[in-house]
Amino acid sequence: EAGVVQSPRYKIIEKKQPVAFWCNPISGHNTLYWYLQNLGQGPELLIRYENEEAVDDSQLPKDRFSAERLKGVDSTLKIQPAELGDSAVYLCASSYIGEDIQYFGAGTRLSVL
Amino acid sequence: GQQVMQIPQYQHVQEGEDFTTYCNSSTTLSNIQWYKQRPGGHPVFLIQLVKSGEVKKQKRLTFQFGEAKKNSSLHITATQTTDVGTYFCAGSGAGSYQLTFGKGTKLSVIP
Repeated sequence: EAGVVQSPRYKIIEKKQPVAFWCNPISGHNTLYWYLQNLGQGPELLIRYENEEAVDDSQLPKDRFSAERLKGVDSTLKIQPAELGDSAVYLCASSYIGEDIQYFGAGTRLSVL
Repeated sequence: GQQVMQIPQYQHVQEGEDFTTYCNSSTTLSNIQWYKQRPGGHPVFLIQLVKSGEVKKQKRLTFQFGEAKKNSSLHITATQTTDVGTYFCAGSGAGSYQLTFGKGTKLSVIP
């Protein structure tokens, strides 16, 4: 069984540019999470989807961040425009609805110059 | 909001020594999970504890959940170089699927 797939693995952009990350969860997992992980810190939740519905986006900076999961499977996270402080690893995770265990993808390491 | 604190932040041990990391929550948890993140890798689920006072073992790893369900610990007996990485605890409150992660304990094992 394939795990959570994220792309790209690395992204380098200049500040004020837009950037997008893609996530394909484990097949059958209805719940999808996007996390932000800064160096030396634990993952911090940005948004949680159950199927195509964003059920918790309270931590998502909506002025520049957006996410979608149109068909309830793949998801994209976008930043526009990116700022220097957005440099971090963006992790996607998935789980079955009602289960607590989350399975993480390899993450996208974003560097904003 | 819920806060989860972990100590120590870093731990350097000689191979063969034991290692313990501690996790404390500001609120009562419904469950606590432990994850391991290797250098350059992503968090990988290790175990989930649900019951008050629960103790679970995985080979050399022993996990405990406090009686009040506000603290937990991970103990590794006789560390090996393969144990290197950052260990995170993550807790969720009653009726919530949101996990709050601690900052992690980074373990270095000196051969």
